[in-house]
Formats: sequence, structure tokens, C-alpha cells
Amino acid sequence: DGGITQSPKYLFRKEGQNVTLSCEQNLNHDAMYWYRQDPGQGLRLIYYSQIVNDFQKGDIAEGYSVSREKKESFPLTVTSAQKNPTAFYLCASSIAPGQGALSTYGYTFGSGTRLTVV
Amino acid sequence: AQSVTQLGSHVSVSEGALVLLRCNYSSSVPPYLFWYVQYPNQGLQLLLKYTSAATLVKGINGFEAEFKKSETSFHLTKPSAHMRDAAEYFCALGGAHGSGYSTLTFGKGTMLLVSP
Repeated sequence: DGGITQSPKYLFRKEGQNVTLSCEQNLNHDAMYWYRQDPGQGLRLIYYSQIVNDFQKGDIAEGYSVSREKKESFPLTVTSAQKNPTAFYLCASSIAPGQGALSTYGYTFGSGTRLTVV
Repeated sequence: AQSVTQLGSHVSVSEGALVLLRCNYSSSVPPYLFWYVQYPNQGLQLLLKYTSAATLVKGINGFEAEFKKSETSFHLTKPSAHMRDAAEYFCALGGAHGSGYSTLTFGKGTMLLVSP
């Protein structure tokens, strides 16, 4: 079955270390997104990518970096510059860039990675 | 700028009672709106979406939502709550992000608690 796989499900890191969260999709979707979820804050957009080798900053990009070398993969690196990295991170995809596809199909979400920095 | 407001961070109902979760939006262009549901430690699952074809939208699990342009609202309802409906619900608004590409903006979520 097609879907989005986020790994690992739980991740623990020491303060000051960079960590990379994996997101892989086999839906043949063009667009991919990273959101951060904190209790009571909803989902906030970190980065997104509409096509391979291109990505845009979301609303809270500081302290994060991404790459999009393959259509299927959109890894997120949480750097030591991120002040409060402990959160639940969600990856999503949509079938194609643009409002038409998004309005028709919305997003498909992965099951998330819970990052705890100690 | 577009925004989504969900009234009430928590809503409690008894099993069998009406569920009403409120969502108001702000958008300078005709909106397209979504409701998603999230169970603990999982991703979000699409419940239903509004894309201007009909103002009353039916979704999965017996949920429906009505788009009211005059009230800028898209409230989610279910006639009779079930224990399995206990989850967090998110309203989302589609539109152009600052870069010009389309993304979804989410509300802060409403936790639905269902008691026996």
C-alpha cells in the first residue's frame, strides 16, 4: 500500500546535537511538507518542497534544514540552533504543487516522529 | 493573511450526544477548508473537505460540516457521539503561503472527550 513513512517513531538526543528525521513516500506525490506540533499550538509549517531540488521556508524555519534530492524523500535536520526542539514532527505530501491539487486532495500525513532533547 | 480559529481547546460530550466543533476562518479569496482527525501519537487523517461544490459536506465516520460564508465558519458536527470519536480535531485552510505556493494553515485543534 502507498503511504508516507516517518522514522523513527521516537527519537532521543542530547542538547547541542543535530538530528535528522526521515520522511519517505511511495505515493508519487510531487509536494512534501514538514510541520511541527506542540500541545495547544496546532501544526506550524517548517519547510516545504514542491519539486525535487527546490524547497521553501515555512513559518518557523529557523534552526531547521531540509533537502529534496529525490522525489520520494524529504529529510528534516533539527540543528543545535533550534532553541526548543522537543516536539512532535509530522511529514505530509500532496499529489502536485498548486492550489488545484491541494484543494481537491489535501494532504496525506505520515505517523509522526516524537523528538525529545535532553 | 489567512488564519483559522478553533473555538474551545477541549469539548466534552456524553456518548450519544450531538458533537459540535467550531471553526472560523479569515481569507481574502474563496477558501477551501478541511477537517482532519488525529488519534494519540498518530498522523492526521482527512475527515472531509469543502471546495465550493456544496455548502454541506459529508465526511467519514458520520461527520459533516457546513460552510457559511456570511459567518466565515466551517463547523463540524455529528448527530451522535461514539466513544471511538474521542480524538483531536483540526480545521485547516488552504491558500497561498508567502512564497506563492499553496499550503494548509491549521487551527490549534480541539480535543473531543466522550464520556460513557
